[in-house]
Amino acid sequence: GAVVSQHPSRVICKSGTSVKIECRSLDFQATTMFWYRQFPKQSLMLMATSNEGSKATYEQGVEKDKFLINHASLTLSTLTVTSAHPEDSSFYICSAPGTSPNTGELFFGEGSRLTVL
Amino acid sequence: GENVEQHPSTLSVQEGDSAVIKCTYSDSASNYFPWYKQELGKRPQLIIDIRSNVGEKKDQRIAVTLNKTAKHFSLHITETQPEDSAVYFCAASTGTSYGKLTFGQGTILTVHP
Repeated sequence: GAVVSQHPSRVICKSGTSVKIECRSLDFQATTMFWYRQFPKQSLMLMATSNEGSKATYEQGVEKDKFLINHASLTLSTLTVTSAHPEDSSFYICSAPGTSPNTGELFFGEGSRLTVL
Repeated sequence: GENVEQHPSTLSVQEGDSAVIKCTYSDSASNYFPWYKQELGKRPQLIIDIRSNVGEKKDQRIAVTLNKTAKHFSLHITETQPEDSAVYFCAASTGTSYGKLTFGQGTILTVHP
């Protein structure tokens, strides 16, 4: 099956710094990737849709200037949390649709746990 | 947009019992309904899915039923085992935005030996 790899798995940073999270599709090309945020014991909330070669589409309430998304190639999307604050601490997880047509299955990365001190 | 409601939020059963988790969705255009299992600190894993042209689908101990008229779908796990303990999420997609899923709130399933 399709494999999505995410890095880093854990990151701790100081308040005010920026953190970059990478999401790679290892054995397939992904023109679209999705970035989710998950608070402890809560559901996955879609933050934005990353589109290769064009601007990301952000969900309502998500600050595009704070959560910068770049989809530089068909196998890489990055999420940069700029000027991070403690309230940004969360589990961030990316996903990509598989290549089979007529399926909506998403393949998830391992997730990145961000802790902002 | 789509809204998915999931119940119960927690479910505790004895090993060997059955577990049922229910979800409702709001968008009648939704046509794809997957269920994901997520263990603590790990990525969600697809366990079963169903499309709107099918009423029921079964895979060993896991089954999903869909009622399009009522806009609800359910996950059924029979002969539960302790390793079934995890958080389960239902989701829905209209298919117009390929792969874009709206998730339910999740159900913490605990299977007691």
